[in-house]
Amino acid sequence: AQKITQTQPGMFVQEKEAVTLDCTYDTSDQSYGLFWYKQPSSGEMIFLIYQGSYDEQNATEGRYSLNFQKARKSANLVISASQLGDSAMYFCAMRETVAGGFKTIFGAGTRLFVKA
Amino acid sequence: DGGITQSPKYLFRKEGQNVTLSCEQNLNHDAMYWYRQDPGQGLRLIYYSQIVNDFQKGDIAEGYSVSREKKESFPLTVTSAQKNPTAFYLCASSKPGPMNTEAFFGQGTRLTVV
Repeated sequence: AQKITQTQPGMFVQEKEAVTLDCTYDTSDQSYGLFWYKQPSSGEMIFLIYQGSYDEQNATEGRYSLNFQKARKSANLVISASQLGDSAMYFCAMRETVAGGFKTIFGAGTRLFVKA
Repeated sequence: DGGITQSPKYLFRKEGQNVTLSCEQNLNHDAMYWYRQDPGQGLRLIYYSQIVNDFQKGDIAEGYSVSREKKESFPLTVTSAQKNPTAFYLCASSKPGPMNTEAFFGQGTRLTVV
């Protein structure tokens, strides 16, 4: 069963505007972590933002914020004031408990195109 | 500087050959992971290890093998049993635990079967 769902294969946004990338997840754990990563065309994975399942406040890191709605099991990424350099693949990920420890699983990703 | 080093960056393999991808980290992380990424796709977990001398299969372990003899090293062998090995391979490490444990990634190895 799909644990992390990103329903937007591709998104376009005008430079300087805000954009929301959707992510829903499925877990029966009480303690889990949610992450967003950016992957530019170079292939490297860049950590953007983290939200813990017990955090009551939405996480923010500069222009990135995470809209965490625990009851709906959603963890959408909001990028404010988009820049051309934001064009990349964006992956939502969840850290969950498994036999033998923990693992991080990823969604299929959303490709963001920022237009000048 | 602390980080994860994957080598080589590009690797070409002939049909029927085994190849080993290197992954070394100096972040003192207990957990290490191997992911496979196909063009335009997300990351799929191949193997992961929480501690030295122990590792578990991920979602797509068939045709791959790993070892974890040292904390710093987690090499991945792509065997001839892997029918479609051409892909981008990413190694990652993290601290243990479910919370606030983002994964740190290497630069990746792009494997092509020729």
